[in-house]
Amino acid sequence: AQTVTQSQPEMSVQEAETVTLSCTYDTSESDYYLFWYKQPPSRQMILVIRQEAYKQQNATENRFSVNFQKAAKSFSLKISDSQLGDAAMYFCAYRSYTGNQFYFGTGTSLTVIP
Amino acid sequence: DADVTQTPRNRITKTGKRIMLECSQTKGHDRMYWYRQDPGLGLRLIYYSFDVKDINKGEISDGYSVSRQAQAKFSLSLESAIPNQTALYFCATSETSQWGNQPQHFGDGTRLSIL
Repeated sequence: AQTVTQSQPEMSVQEAETVTLSCTYDTSESDYYLFWYKQPPSRQMILVIRQEAYKQQNATENRFSVNFQKAAKSFSLKISDSQLGDAAMYFCAYRSYTGNQFYFGTGTSLTVIP
Repeated sequence: DADVTQTPRNRITKTGKRIMLECSQTKGHDRMYWYRQDPGLGLRLIYYSFDVKDINKGEISDGYSVSRQAQAKFSLSLESAIPNQTALYFCATSETSQWGNQPQHFGDGTRLSIL
């Protein structure tokens, strides 16, 4: 089974600043998909952004962008102009091209300081 | 209305009781999943189903069973609940597609406490 590692259990950022959450994964596959999910205190799981491994261009969704380094098996999430509503647990997830399962990291708890 | 609905939202029960958590979806997705979330462990897969006749064990299926009553309904049962099954449980769905970039869509979770 693939493993997904989030090495930062907790992070904090000043409001309006930029923060980067790290994620690494272990796989022998060449085609796969990566996702970041956000879980606010309401405990919903909300898709933030996705990346296809065959795409060299990093995905961007408004203030959220990723730095996808395929050779390094790294998939970090950058949040620009942080807002109080960004405070949440963030999970990185992996899915193989033909796979049936998603594999999740252990999460990073992000605090936004006013 | 939510696309993926879990009931109950919260449940407190005693050791040894039989518990059923229910999940229904209006997204029309074939694939449904049950996860548990524990602090520091992330989400771990319990069971998944790709259609009514297809049930598969996940990483941590011991002590759990599931039933796929219809395409839209997937329930999780704890036959004899024990305290270490106290957790936040999520149901999720995803679309069957030749492209694996389809994300999972989650319900709002059931917080289960077993005393």
